[in-house]
Amino acid sequence: DVKVTQSSRYLVKRTGEKVFLECVQDMDHENMFWYRQDPGLGLRLIYFSYDVKMKEKGDIPEGYSVSREKKERFSLILESASTNQTSMYLCASSSPNNLRGYYGNTIYFGEGSWLTVV
Amino acid sequence: GQNIDQPTEMTATEGAIVQINCTYQTSGFNGLFWYQQHAGEAPTFLSYNVLDGLEEKGRFSSFLSRSKGYSYLLLKELQMKDSASYLCAVKEAGTALIFGKGTTLSVSS
Repeated sequence: DVKVTQSSRYLVKRTGEKVFLECVQDMDHENMFWYRQDPGLGLRLIYFSYDVKMKEKGDIPEGYSVSREKKERFSLILESASTNQTSMYLCASSSPNNLRGYYGNTIYFGEGSWLTVV
Repeated sequence: GQNIDQPTEMTATEGAIVQINCTYQTSGFNGLFWYQQHAGEAPTFLSYNVLDGLEEKGRFSSFLSRSKGYSYLLLKELQMKDSASYLCAVKEAGTALIFGKGTTLSVSS
């Protein structure tokens, strides 16, 4: 089975703090993603990466940055957390290839990280 | 622009059949996905369509019409555990999936 692991399930941070959300996948997937999910707004893409050290902005990159130094790891960074960044953050990965019976391009999500900024 | 529409909420009873519709307008198309998400949990993959027609997988089926920009997810023999949000997502030419806002399905006894 595909395993996408997010390091923190629940976090509470103060406004202005720097926040790191870590994500690791064990499927050797090329692509990794960070989404946030908010009631009434659905899943929105923050950033994604299609290779080591490569990154692309999604729909809502403002206030975030990412790092992908190794293929299996993709980090989301909030440089200075604000209350409007309180949300559920979902990491995901995918491969363009059909691997082990899975359809190519299917994305697999981690458990989610609930971040509250106070 | 991108637009993926699905109903916000649906209700049904145990044992019934329910159809969740999804319409999309995207600049490209490389497949349509359905995900299930229980409250407080991550979305899990249900189905994938890239060609027109019906894909059946147990109690769940998904249909696609590319010319109409339309898909549906059909759930048969509903069970209480099927109460969840169902997310329609489209892959355009790029890498990421674009998600609809989801349909919350409530199944009652």
